[in-house]
Amino acid sequence: ETGVTQSPTHLIKTRGQQVTLRCSSQSGHNTVSWYQQALGQGPQFIFQYYREEENGRGNFPPRFSGLQFPNYSSELNVNALELDDSALYLCASSWGQNQPQHFGDGTRLSIL
Amino acid sequence: GNSVTQMEGPVTLSEEAFLTINCTYTATGYPSLFWYVQYPGEGLQLLLKATKADDKGSNKGFEATYRKETTSFHLEKGSVQVSDSAVYFCALSPKNSGNTPLVFGKGTRLSVIA
Repeated sequence: ETGVTQSPTHLIKTRGQQVTLRCSSQSGHNTVSWYQQALGQGPQFIFQYYREEENGRGNFPPRFSGLQFPNYSSELNVNALELDDSALYLCASSWGQNQPQHFGDGTRLSIL
Repeated sequence: GNSVTQMEGPVTLSEEAFLTINCTYTATGYPSLFWYVQYPGEGLQLLLKATKADDKGSNKGFEATYRKETTSFHLEKGSVQVSDSAVYFCALSPKNSGNTPLVFGKGTRLSVIA
């Protein structure tokens, strides 16, 4: 079975720009969660999508937004990028909301 | 609120040494508990889990027991290998919410030397 895949692997942006990160969930998984992992820290929950609806959000401002598509793939959009947004962004999928989450390898975002 | 505290690293061990990484948690109700491992340049891999008190999760020689009385979920391995070098994250998932965001500790870096 195909695991969770994320694209791009690396990305460099400047302050004020906008970015879209993509995630293809593992086959059969209908729930996608996004996490931000700053250097040397544990991942922080951004939001979760279940069957195309946002189903919970962490302590992140509205400029972090997302989508989930009918095939359960997902996007994370970040507007007005700030230096502190530099991090590894991880996508995790699961079958249902109470099942173990399987992570992709992440997108490394650097803001200059 | 929900939180996870794990021992700070880095932890450096010789091959075949015994490993313990401490993890304690604060949560309302009885969460599920997890250990994830992150190898350099990769995402997180689920190592083991436990969903209720006294459950023992195990995988690849690693073990952790869900201790409700001490709110702990310490990771142990009897004999580490160089290939175990990675960052280990303890995490919890609250059961009483409709969604189940994982709450992670800050991670413990393990280096095993031959």
